[in-house]
Amino acid sequence: GEDVEQSLFLSVREGDSSVINCTYTDSSSTYLYWYKQEPGAGLQLLTYIFSNMDMKQDQRLTVLLNKKDKHLSLRIADTQTGDSAIYFCAGILSGNTGKLIFGQGTTLQVKP
Amino acid sequence: ETGVTQTPRHLVMGMTNKKSLKCEQHLGHNAMYWYKQSAKKPLELMFVYNFKEQTENNSVPSRFSPECPNSSHLFLHLHTLQPEDSALYLCASSQAGTHGNTIYFGEGSWLTVV
Repeated sequence: GEDVEQSLFLSVREGDSSVINCTYTDSSSTYLYWYKQEPGAGLQLLTYIFSNMDMKQDQRLTVLLNKKDKHLSLRIADTQTGDSAIYFCAGILSGNTGKLIFGQGTTLQVKP
Repeated sequence: ETGVTQTPRHLVMGMTNKKSLKCEQHLGHNAMYWYKQSAKKPLELMFVYNFKEQTENNSVPSRFSPECPNSSHLFLHLHTLQPEDSALYLCASSQAGTHGNTIYFGEGSWLTVV
């Protein structure tokens, strides 16, 4: 089955760029997602990328997909204290079962 | 506001109690899900409903009983739970069959079993 791995913790200074990395095992994942979870809240969809794309940019967010290495990254430009949260990457297997496989989540700490 | 509403947001129950979690989606989606988020573990898919029919039960113990009366509502009935069932229970919905099948989550229900 699909495995999704993330580093557990990242600390950056306000104004710096953050890069959160994710690796996955199932090359049939058709869509890959980034979700954000703030303390005490549910998961907020940030962005997603289709497997035939290499990059997707949305304001301060840039998603890079390296299909050969099965590596996904989320870059947050000009990181703000409000970006402090847990970030989850998730893959969805081919088909439309809605079965998302999540990584463990990366806690992003932004220091003023 | 994601369009997926969960109640209650917080629930404390004893091991012999029966309670229910409720989820309602206002997005016109046809698929609904229950996920469990425990400390230090990846999110776990529990149940999937497509067009009110359960299409996946991810080996969930029978003390968790889902109910989907229509495409907009999903319940999780809880009975004789264990302390290790304490977790954040997340409901989600999607429009299965569409581009990306993007899944939207509710805020979650924090469950504490004492």
